[in-house]
Amino acid sequence: SQQGEEDPQALSIQEGENATMNCSYKTSINNLQWYRQNSGRGLVHLILIRSNEREKHSGRLRVTLDTSKKSSSLLITASRAADTASYFCATDADQGAQKLVFGQGTRLTINP
Amino acid sequence: EPEVTQTPSHQVTQMGQEVILRCVPISNHLYFYWYRQILGQKVEFLVSFYNNEISEKSEIFDDQFSVERPDGSNFTLKIRSTKLEDSAMYFCASSERGAGSFSLGKETQYFGPGTRLLVL
Repeated sequence: SQQGEEDPQALSIQEGENATMNCSYKTSINNLQWYRQNSGRGLVHLILIRSNEREKHSGRLRVTLDTSKKSSSLLITASRAADTASYFCATDADQGAQKLVFGQGTRLTINP
Repeated sequence: EPEVTQTPSHQVTQMGQEVILRCVPISNHLYFYWYRQILGQKVEFLVSFYNNEISEKSEIFDDQFSVERPDGSNFTLKIRSTKLEDSAMYFCASSERGAGSFSLGKETQYFGPGTRLLVL
């Protein structure tokens, strides 16, 4: 898989349930970021987790990072209809590169 | 809360025409970026800019593309002779610091709402 690949590609759940999305990457990183994109709109930064961190919380979001497996997960608890969006992980490289490499994203649909 | 702004929100142009996409980064940020997203595809990095020069660019960013910070607030992307395949959403982003283990989270890139470019 390419740097920053998410799975599943699409996820549909009922409002109130938890949603888990996964991301895998290939190279060493300084940090990994999760973004949300509502249909046809801009990218909203959700959370950044550094390579020396294992877990981070922000409101209903919980992100984990396993650098040994080069993977991360984003958990949204108690989902709401407004959480319907595409979610992307993005990684930088630890060689001073400035660019973010995005995955294909997970399209999350919350059914009322 | 400060945010990145972009103009125009939509741009339709004829193939071969020049377009300039404009961005106003967050005021205390020092690093600026352009990305693009072709419909249905992933977001792709184009270029990063720091200290009035390009710090990194992708293979996509060929001689048809250029960036400029003409004054203290604007950051522009110019496509000299547009092609059909340039049709995409173009995102500007900015960060306070660059990537690196000592940036203490200030390397977070904040994105603008995008300019949807359609080349006919």
